Amino acid sequence: DADVTQTPRNRITKTGKRIMLECSQTKGHDRMYWYRQDPGLGLQLIYYSFDVKDINKGEISDGYSVSRQAQAKFSLSLESAIPNQTALYFCATSAEGQSSGELFFGEGSRLTVL
Amino acid sequence: AQSVTQLDSHVSVSEGTPVLLRCNYSSSYSPSLFWYVQHPNKGLQLLLKYTSAATLVKGINGFEAEFKKSETSFHLTKPSAHMSDAAEYFCVVSERLVNDMRFGAGTRLTVKP
Repeated sequence: DADVTQTPRNRITKTGKRIMLECSQTKGHDRMYWYRQDPGLGLQLIYYSFDVKDINKGEISDGYSVSRQAQAKFSLSLESAIPNQTALYFCATSAEGQSSGELFFGEGSRLTVL
Repeated sequence: AQSVTQLDSHVSVSEGTPVLLRCNYSSSYSPSLFWYVQHPNKGLQLLLKYTSAATLVKGINGFEAEFKKSETSFHLTKPSAHMSDAAEYFCVVSERLVNDMRFGAGTRLTVKP
């Protein structure tokens, strides 16, 4: 089983719908992240959490919200999806105090908003 | 704020020939630099990292990169490409914390038989 699991892997939805992307990890890491990948733009940080009680906005948080339900679970929500939120979304984790900066990624959730 | 530029969006090589993927960075402090690889339909995986130790960094699968402060570069190389190296590669710069990381736009490597 993968250390970082994302569900769903693929989702097609319509404008205005609420969408939740879920992430769970078995690495025992405190730190979790949501990134968005668009072609030609690399990855951009949406939100990150250093522990269950800590939530922080990243570069592009507008239109998104998150919930850290437990150390192992971090969900990303789109309250009212719009077409420019069509992208590949990645969840990642890292160890606390990790100065090397290594991130461990899930396999991605491809979201299409029509 | 730091930034990173990957100079080629697509590189094509023949199997067995050298690979060079170019990355330039901008940073106000002493940065940490990383290369990640993304195979099709997979998440990103760390290839190698530079964190102010040796300037020549060796990674997995025969890749290495050299930190050149005077040129603000961190190019990724491999002496001999393998078909399994076909993937997208991301150069990443970080000045302090993981939440401060900046990803390049990516370079797609194609390996021809």
